[in-house]
Amino acid sequence: DTGVSQDPRHKITKRGQNVTFRCDPISEHNRLYWYRQTLGQGPEFLTYFQNEAQLEKSRLLSDRFSAERPKGSFSTLEIQRTEQGDSAMYLCASSITGAEAFFGQGTRLTVV
Amino acid sequence: KQEVTQIPAALSVPEGENLVLNCSFTDSAIYNLQWFRQDPGKGLTSLLLIQSSQREQTSGRLNASLDKSSGRSTLYIAASQPGDSATYLCAVKAGTALIFGKGTTLSVSS
Repeated sequence: DTGVSQDPRHKITKRGQNVTFRCDPISEHNRLYWYRQTLGQGPEFLTYFQNEAQLEKSRLLSDRFSAERPKGSFSTLEIQRTEQGDSAMYLCASSITGAEAFFGQGTRLTVV
Repeated sequence: KQEVTQIPAALSVPEGENLVLNCSFTDSAIYNLQWFRQDPGKGLTSLLLIQSSQREQTSGRLNASLDKSSGRSTLYIAASQPGDSATYLCAVKAGTALIFGKGTTLSVSS
């Protein structure tokens, strides 16, 4: 296991389409996070899972966004009816409780 | 509300120079502070994690310090190299998630 893996790396979609991203965390990590990063800004927190339970969601996570982590393993982030403002880098991170967070390479979403 | 500020926003230095990146945060009630490196269009690479009870951490040419009472952290890079060119992000953990600064973009010229 070499780290946090995200798929796809890049996604271009038309406005109004739905998109889904996948994150595979480091295998023994119980915590999984999704962040969003726009150009020139630091990442902003979206949501957090401990094992399979989604314990916290940011106000940034509108009703069009949904995330799952079935069986406490990989996670998916779905955006419905995409808007141009959704264009960003979506980053996944994982950690063991209280320890260092490790990030994936991100999924770059472009909505045209 | 916790806010993280990084100064300067950009820095250019010649190869071999020692340099310091600064990070400040508004609420001293943090669990830990983490420094990351980000190359253009890529994800984040963790550099150093400092727990709230620690004052500093070192890894190779990198040294990070933490002064919780004053809400400050510094990242010291010794003998900079062109390969160090990247954006450096500071993040504090005060609750569930990390809160990030906007980063310092470092350019090291050969």
